[in-house]
Amino acid sequence: DAKTTQPNSMESNEEEPVHLPCNHSTISGTDYIHWYRQLPSQGPEYVIHGLTSNVNNRMASLAIAEDRKSSTLILHRATLRDAAVYYCILLVGNKLVFGAGTILRVKS
Amino acid sequence: DTEVTQTPKHLVMGMTNKKSLKCEQHMGHRAMYWYKQKAKKPPELMFVYSYEKLSINESVPSRFSPECPNSSLLNLHLHALQPEDSALYLCASSQIFIWTGGDTEAFFGQGTRLTVV
Repeated sequence: DAKTTQPNSMESNEEEPVHLPCNHSTISGTDYIHWYRQLPSQGPEYVIHGLTSNVNNRMASLAIAEDRKSSTLILHRATLRDAAVYYCILLVGNKLVFGAGTILRVKS
Repeated sequence: DTEVTQTPKHLVMGMTNKKSLKCEQHMGHRAMYWYKQKAKKPPELMFVYSYEKLSINESVPSRFSPECPNSSLLNLHLHALQPEDSALYLCASSQIFIWTGGDTEAFFGQGTRLTVV
């Protein structure tokens, strides 16, 4: 399965932007980059996805490198409710396979 | 309605019991998934159903038996489980990823927390 690499954990202050990096050097030309997050005691929640261009939605922005070997999830103003595990995923066929993810801690 | 509903929320079962987990969605999604998640670990894919047919089995032991009786419902039948099978079992649904090229999102339920005693 296509592999992603993320930092184990990151910390942010409340109301500040957060940049969560992901490396996916084995990505192929048609692989979409997906981000999900999992809040404590909940199921994973879709955040954003993209192919080549940068993407924005109400939750976050996704910046994709020109060579597509890395991407960055941007939370524009972190809140305490954004504390979660963030997963960067490459789809392979019909499989959404989770890597280890990044634990995001938000300090007030 | 963008919900995936899983029942029960909690289940305690003995090693000789038979029980079933249920998952329901009404978004018209034709792909449904079962994941297993141990504490402090990422979800692990178990099964994928596409158009009510089992398309992927990630070498899951036969004591876990999935079933997709219709396009809205997914079951996971449990029999002769071991204590190490205790985990959060997550169901998800989506449009068929191959169909959309990956340009779609998956929706997850809140999970069933299973304890095997």
